[in-house]
Formats: sequence, structure tokens, C-alpha cells
Amino acid sequence: DTAVSQTPKYLVTQMGNDKSIKCEQNLGHDTMYWYKQDSKKFLKIMFSYNNKELIINETVPNRFSPKSPDKAHLNLHINSLELGDSAVYFCASSLSIRPTGGGYTFGSGTRLTVV
Amino acid sequence: TQLLEQSPQFLSIQEGENLTVYCNSSSVFSSLQWYRQEPGEGPVLLVTVVTGGEVKKLKRLTFQFGDARKDSSLHITAAQPGDTGLYLCAGENTGNQFYFGTGTSLTVIP
Repeated sequence: DTAVSQTPKYLVTQMGNDKSIKCEQNLGHDTMYWYKQDSKKFLKIMFSYNNKELIINETVPNRFSPKSPDKAHLNLHINSLELGDSAVYFCASSLSIRPTGGGYTFGSGTRLTVV
Repeated sequence: TQLLEQSPQFLSIQEGENLTVYCNSSSVFSSLQWYRQEPGEGPVLLVTVVTGGEVKKLKRLTFQFGDARKDSSLHITAAQPGDTGLYLCAGENTGNQFYFGTGTSLTVIP
């Protein structure tokens, strides 16, 4: 199936650990994103990449480092995890840098719990 | 960050009732999108509105973009349990960046 797939679906880890979340899209989209959804369901952009180039880097701690090896993949590495990092992280893609027409296609999310 | 306030935050209604969800901002948007998110899944695009005053219909869902392009509404007629979910609006600013609203959680009781 064509989709945005991210792994793992659930991630439980201790404070101070380093973890990665992987994302792949087979839609042929040029732009990929990482969003964070907090406990109140507020969805906030973290990063966006267009053809492997970083376009948006919102105010995110530098413990978060995205990497895009090619335009179909965008991974998120998090160092020294903190309790406040607990959230659902969504990967998304769009056809182009301006997702007006087709909007965003989201993955099903990674629920990160830091204990 | 441009704040889009959605109201109500929570809505629980009986099957067959009508409802309206509002998305309001003090900012002008180039376009606005509505998404529905089901538990354990990512948001799914429902519609994009571009022109001030535009009305779009998707079966029982009617979307309207305000004349000044600062607000939008989503009206559902004869709600069904399958309409249950989190409804999110997202407004596009002049930098082609979309900012999501605060969300409306809808529960339709059979």
C-alpha cells in the first residue's frame, strides 16, 4: 500500500536514553515533516525537509536531530530523553513544499513514553 | 506561531443530530484545511478551502471559509457514529506553512 509508515508504533524508555524513530514514504512526495502531538492533542510542527534539505526547524531542543538520507526517508533521533518528551510523534509528507492542494499525508504515529 | 482556536473543544451528541465546529483566528490565511483524526491514527485530510466565502460540501459535511479568510466552520448533518474523531483545522500563512488548530473531539453516540 502507498503510505507514510513510521516505526516503532510504541516506544517506552527511561530518562537519559537515546532513541530513534524512522519514517518512510512511498508516495513520491518531495517534502517530509515531523510533528509532535501533546497530551491535549495539539499538533505542532518540528521540522520539514524538502528533497533532503532542511526547510523548517521550529524551536526544538537540539537534543532532537532529524536526518533525511533521501527524499523518501526522514528519521528523528532524540538524545538524553526527558519526561517532557513524552508525546505522539507524527511523520508526514506532502507533494511539494506548499501542501495546499493535497495536504499532508500522515503516518500513524509513534507514542513515546519516557519514564 | 499563529493561534487557531477551535470550539467547542469537546462535543458529545446523539446519532442523527446536527453540529457545527468553529475555527477562529485573528490572522488571515491563504488557505485552510480540515482534517479528521481517529484514535491511534494520523490526521486525514477532508478538504482544502482557498477563497474567502467559499463553501464546499463532502456528503453530509459542509465546510465554509470566512469572507475575510480568518475563520472557518464545519457543519455535519445527521451525525453518525463513524463521524467520531478529532477534527483539526489548519491555516496556511504567507510562508506556505500550515498551523493546526486546538482541535475538537467529537463523539457520536449510537
